[in-house]
Amino acid sequence: DTEVTQTPKHLVMGMTNKKSLKCEQHMGHRAMYWYKQKAKKPPELMFVYSYEKLSINESVPSRFSPECPNSSLLNLHLHALQPEDSALYLCASSQTGGVNTEAFFGQGTRLTVV
Amino acid sequence: AQKVTQAQTEISVVEKEDVTLDCVYETRDTTYYLFWYKQPPSGELVFLIRRNSFDEQNEISGRYSWNFQKSTSSFNFTITASQVVDSAVYFCALSEVNTGNQFYFGTGTSLTVIP
Repeated sequence: DTEVTQTPKHLVMGMTNKKSLKCEQHMGHRAMYWYKQKAKKPPELMFVYSYEKLSINESVPSRFSPECPNSSLLNLHLHALQPEDSALYLCASSQTGGVNTEAFFGQGTRLTVV
Repeated sequence: AQKVTQAQTEISVVEKEDVTLDCVYETRDTTYYLFWYKQPPSGELVFLIRRNSFDEQNEISGRYSWNFQKSTSSFNFTITASQVVDSAVYFCALSEVNTGNQFYFGTGTSLTVIP
């Protein structure tokens, strides 16, 4: 099983809403990532969890709050977002998060902020 | 500075033609890894290949082949006898020992294969 599952696939939310994106993997991977991708752009790294600890936070605004409840799950909590936060949010996992390990990506959540 | 450059923004080819996607990278590390990912319209990035900096052997997998040349800091990707299903955005990426957990993605090349 080389699958990373993200829910929901699509999300429309107002600027005052609170919502969460969920990501799950059962490959025994110990590193999990959140990326943000705008149209016609490459993915931009937001957060990295390594062995369930936040290891990288790429200066992401506090309206995005990651959570890693266990080694298989990764959440991204959203609050008071802006329309410019509309994007494809991709979750990924890799075996150890080391430089030599490829990441496996989910299909993403297409988020629209209205 | 951009660590990975994919100069070709968009390419269109007719089915069955061969096509090469270029990737040029920049790093000061002696140990690094290069990757290619495919992103079809569905959105998921699909891992295609990983190559480490000490292995300059070219690789072939079916219709796909990769040419890694350290002398020119390039890691090009060729699709032979292209098919409509190859239409996607292709990203080249770099990871370095010194910056560990993250991938530096190029800007991507959008490939359209015309039937």
